[in-house]
Order: sequence, then C-alpha cells, then structure tokens
Amino acid sequence: DAGVIQSPRHEVTEMGQEVTLRCKPISGHNSLFWYRQTMMRGLELLIYFNNNVPIDDSGMPEDRFSAKMPNASFSTLKIQPSEPRDSAVYFCASSLGSTYEQFFGPGTRLTVL
Amino acid sequence: GENVEQHPSTLSVQEGDSAVIKCTYSDSASNYFPWYKQELGKRPQLIIDIRSNVGEKKDQRIAVTLNKTAKHFSLHITETQPEDSAVYFCAARSTDKLIFGTGTRLQVFP
Repeated sequence: DAGVIQSPRHEVTEMGQEVTLRCKPISGHNSLFWYRQTMMRGLELLIYFNNNVPIDDSGMPEDRFSAKMPNASFSTLKIQPSEPRDSAVYFCASSLGSTYEQFFGPGTRLTVL
Repeated sequence: GENVEQHPSTLSVQEGDSAVIKCTYSDSASNYFPWYKQELGKRPQLIIDIRSNVGEKKDQRIAVTLNKTAKHFSLHITETQPEDSAVYFCAARSTDKLIFGTGTRLQVFP
C-alpha cells in the first residue's frame, strides 16, 4: 500500500493566486481529514469527510478555503485567493472510519509570497 | 468543544534517561487518546494510543497512562535513544474529531 498520497509536495505561489492541493487516501479508507500545521497554531483540523460527505468544516478559516471529495479516492483543498498568512504545511489523513487510527500523508508545504 | 493542553513544550534528556510528556483535556466525553511522533520535515505517525476503558498501555519502551477522573494522560519513554528525538503530539478524540496538543520537542543527547 502506498499510503496517503499528496501533491504537490511543495508549492510556491504569489498572493492572490489560486492554489489547489490534492490528496489520495489509502484504498478502503472512508474518512478523510485535512489539517494545517504552523509554528504558531500547531496542527489544526480544517475539515473532514465520511464516505465523501463533508461532516465538519468548522475549522476552515474563511470563505477563501474550500474542499471537495468527488469520489472515495480523491480530495482537493482549494485556496482562492491565497494570502501570505496561508503559508503552512497542509496534511491530508485518512482512516477506516472516523473512530479509527488516522494515517497522515507526507504533506504539502505551501509558501505564499 | 474539546481543548487539549500539552506540557512541556520542550524537553531535553540524556540518552538512557526517561522522558514524560503530559496532556490534559476538557471534554469528559472524549474516549480515545493517540500519541503521534513527528520527525523533522516528516509526517506525524502514530506511536501508541489508549482508549477510555483502559488505564495504562505499554509497548516496549513506550507507555501511556490515562486518568479519566482528572482528565489527563501521559506518555512515558524509558531508556531514551537519540532516535527518539522528535516532536510528540497528544490528541483527544471528541465527536469523531482529533484535537491535538501543541506538541513537545524532545531532544535526546548522546
């Protein structure tokens, strides 16, 4: 099993640009989580899905952030427009169900200039 | 909602000594408490977890204890080795969400 796959691994963009982060969960897992990690705020849950349905998006910082899960093997996190304060490492994690162990992907390091 | 506090933020120990990291949580309904280890530039990885029906769990040099009454849980690492150096995160699960502590940077000096 390849584990959770995220792309890109690094993204550098300019303020105002649209950024799309991608995640492929472990096959058979039906829960998917998006986290953001910064030095100041630590590891924050942004949104999670069960069976492709968004369950809790209370962690999404503002309307510039949106997430989708069109099928069981793919999810995207989009930031439009991006701002320098969005610079962080974004992790995707998946689990068999929301009450099981979460496996993290390698993360996407986003830098917004 | 759930709030998880973690102490200390940094911890330095000599190789072979023990290390203890403590966390407290606020939601008495939380029932699952994992610990993750994150090496520099890497992803968080689960090292041990405990559920609310158990008071202690051990896996080789790592142990976790849970006090539901006081709402705190701790990670114990014995016979520390340089490769234990990393950031450790505790978490508590509340309503299907993991709420993470702020992390402890552990440094083990040879």
